[in-house]
Amino acid sequence: EVQLVESGGGLVQPGGSLRLSCAASGFNFRTYAMHWVRQAPGKGPEYVSAINSDGDSTYYVNSVKGRFTISRDNSKNTLYLQMDSLRIDDMAVYYCAREGGHVNVEWYFDLWGRGTLVTVSS
Amino acid sequence: SYELTQPPSVSVSPGQTARITCSGDALPDQYAYWYQKKPGQAPVLVIYQDTGRPSGIPERFSGSTSGTIVTLTISGVQAEDEADYYCQSANSSGSYQVVFGGGTKLTVL
Repeated sequence: EVQLVESGGGLVQPGGSLRLSCAASGFNFRTYAMHWVRQAPGKGPEYVSAINSDGDSTYYVNSVKGRFTISRDNSKNTLYLQMDSLRIDDMAVYYCAREGGHVNVEWYFDLWGRGTLVTVSS
Repeated sequence: SYELTQPPSVSVSPGQTARITCSGDALPDQYAYWYQKKPGQAPVLVIYQDTGRPSGIPERFSGSTSGTIVTLTISGVQAEDEADYYCQSANSSGSYQVVFGGGTKLTVL
């Protein structure tokens, strides 16, 4: 089955760290760029980060730049998001998503996971 | 910053046509995408590149564009279509920015 499954969310204090994982299955993970998108309660989705298929090029939205690190292990079919210096406004459900463009990165998402909840609270 | 604007809610009876709009200044120059989100489920891409329909998406889902407004149309709405719908696009002026609309709750009466 083609799917993405996120894990690693939980409760963390402001200033703390979490590492999210996204396990991919059912498709050739190493050939796709991958993304992280988050959605805070009651709000629309917010784009977070991207990584190319080889893992040597990354992109971050300004609000997480310098605090979050996206990475991937193509041998394990797994995408990661290391989140440091977490803030209250980082609290959201975090989704990993597969790039919809099959040749070039077109910045849309044709496969999503169910998400993992990150709660930032003291 | 660039924004996409959607109505918060749309309500239709089963069998009727639902139209959900999304407005944004850059939409004439950038593709729009639509996602369906049901509680507890992963979001699903229902329209890509303004009008494309991914495999497995029913034909009753269609997309259209006119200037700064894109529209998701669901013809012959079914109860299972009740969900939140989000448009998404990008703004390439200055630094590249991926943007989502605030979402529209489709209620099937």
